Amino acid sequence: GEDVEQSLFLSVREGDSSVINCTYTDSSSTYLYWYKQEPGAGLQLLTYIFSNMDMKQDQRLTVLLNKKDKHLSLRIADTQTGDSAIYFCAGGRGGATNKLIFGTGTLLAVQP
Amino acid sequence: DAGVTQSPTHLIKTRGQQVTLRCSPKSGHDTVSWYQQALGQGPQFIFQYYEEEERQRGNFPDRFSGHQFPNYSSELNVNALLLGDSALYLCASSHLAGGPSSYNEQFFGPGTRLTVL
Repeated sequence: GEDVEQSLFLSVREGDSSVINCTYTDSSSTYLYWYKQEPGAGLQLLTYIFSNMDMKQDQRLTVLLNKKDKHLSLRIADTQTGDSAIYFCAGGRGGATNKLIFGTGTLLAVQP
Repeated sequence: DAGVTQSPTHLIKTRGQQVTLRCSPKSGHDTVSWYQQALGQGPQFIFQYYEEEERQRGNFPDRFSGHQFPNYSSELNVNALLLGDSALYLCASSHLAGGPSSYNEQFFGPGTRLTVL
């Protein structure tokens, strides 16, 4: 079946790095995504990684994918208070069948 | 470009009533997907519309139905509302191009918050 799990909560100090983890069961996901949701808002795509990649870096964001262990992580360098939000990982197959399977979300709290 | 827009922003209904939510996709997009996000949960896929037809459906009962219009906008209808239907309903649009595994970014709207009393 399709299942995506995340830890519920992460608290970090401003300036530190944050690492948000995700495990998934659907090995047929072609793309894995990280979305950010701020209070009262929709979902904002932060980054994504193709399933044949191990790592992707995009400014302060680094995504690591361990396909063997079905583990995905998002590292945010120099975390700022504006990064406080809920972060969702999601998997999808791309193309016409691009429904997304989301995790339960991780609440990131950044302390000043 | 206004991006994906949804209406209304908030809605309060009572059990047994029917509701219609609306979505206008981002300019140039032809596919609309609907997701339900219960409080404290991740979004769950309801269904997807392309070329005015339902192409995929998640694990939701027939009380949930939809429609896509020739201008690509979409409606989500929920009949016989239950308390458990209270959630944030998100619409996402994308443009289906390329092969079976092509990357198609989905852009999400701000959602409609439905409360069923």
